[in-house]
Amino acid sequence: DTAVSQTPKYLVTQMGNDKSIKCEQNLGHDTMYWYKQDSKKFLKIMFSYNNKELIINETVPNRFSPKSPDKAHLNLHINSLELGDSAVYFCASSQYTGNTIYFGEGSWLTVV
Amino acid sequence: AQSVTQLDSQVPVFEEAPVELRCNYSSSVSVYLFWYVQYPNQGLQLLLKYLSGSTLVKGINGFEAEFNKSQTSFHLRKPSVHISDTAEYFCARSTFGNEKLTFGTGTRLTIIP
Repeated sequence: DTAVSQTPKYLVTQMGNDKSIKCEQNLGHDTMYWYKQDSKKFLKIMFSYNNKELIINETVPNRFSPKSPDKAHLNLHINSLELGDSAVYFCASSQYTGNTIYFGEGSWLTVV
Repeated sequence: AQSVTQLDSQVPVFEEAPVELRCNYSSSVSVYLFWYVQYPNQGLQLLLKYLSGSTLVKGINGFEAEFNKSQTSFHLRKPSVHISDTAEYFCARSTFGNEKLTFGTGTRLTIIP
């Protein structure tokens, strides 16, 4: 059983399109995250939700909109995709803030 | 600002030799430290973590790390590496009540047969 699962794993799309990445965790955690890994492998937090409420938004462009329908799901919608959005996006979750964070397998987004 | 420094971007090591991957962190009253591993084209897997207690932490796959408060370091070690250890290794930190996990820039470990 995958603890943090995200779909799709690979996504190739054209500039200007809108796309979504879905994430679900079955660990019963209260907090979920989106992290971005750029082409140099650098990892940085984008968003964090606790019990469906946004608690971190790290100066991410408005084109990125997370949505948490319940505490087990955190989806990422991206409007008007740009070349620079090409990256690996990781969903993650933790039991409570400041504790161990578990990551999904990543979604490889390529914008052409 | 919270920061994590991984001093080596690449570390080549012969198979069955020991390895140490270095990590230094910015000090805080209560700091949590982690090592994650990323195998090629895969996600992030937790290797080990330090939350409190014993400064020597043992993780999966024979890895261990030592929390050194005076030197603000959390170096990762393995006494004998295998080809399967080839991966990118990330050191990370957070603090109590802070939702953000700050990562280092990663160290690519390459095992030479």
